[in-house]
Amino acid sequence: QKEVEQNSGPLSVPEGAIASLNCTYSDRGSQSFFWYRQYSGKSPELIMSIYSNGDKEDGRFTAQLNKASQYVSLLIRDSQPSDSATYLCAVNIGFRNEKLTFGTGTRLTIIP
Amino acid sequence: GAVVSQHPSRVICKSGTSVKIECRSLDFQATTMFWYRQFPKKSLMLMATSNEGSKATYEQGVEKDKFLINHASLTLSTLTVTSAHPEDSSFYICSATPTDTQYFGPGTRLTVL
Repeated sequence: QKEVEQNSGPLSVPEGAIASLNCTYSDRGSQSFFWYRQYSGKSPELIMSIYSNGDKEDGRFTAQLNKASQYVSLLIRDSQPSDSATYLCAVNIGFRNEKLTFGTGTRLTIIP
Repeated sequence: GAVVSQHPSRVICKSGTSVKIECRSLDFQATTMFWYRQFPKKSLMLMATSNEGSKATYEQGVEKDKFLINHASLTLSTLTVTSAHPEDSSFYICSATPTDTQYFGPGTRLTVL
């Protein structure tokens, strides 16, 4: 079982709709959870971090964490073509300090 | 805040030469920096963790003598690809962390002819 799992996609969402990206992780001791966006040919860019169960909102983005289910998700409201990218879920597994374990990423395409 | 730079952004070199890539944290001090490589359409692969003033910790399968890492100050880490070969051609990305969040540099695209 992979430590951090994401559906690789591609996930296609109409412009203006809600895009939902999911991620599961294997280590119950994980403390920190991050979503990064990576455009083709570019490096990852931090979107959000979340540490506690529940929802965290930042503009059009909402991260959701459920530690009991070992599940973290990212919702993108009012999706725009500029949101088309690969979204990486990253988890601080156990107590490895700052070292992150990344999922393989979900490729999201917003259809105009 | 939390800006990380890399230099150069692109480099083309001949097989057998060495290439140095710099990673700098511009507005914070980073006791820990990370080096990743990424092949086209593949996920990030952590190569090593770089700690200021001490030896880097390499991931399994990464040759420490080929990928030399030096973290000489709290704002600078360097990766040197020694005796580069075409199979070393890749996108090399560093990240730095002021707390527990990693911020990535823009990456260096290495092409070895």
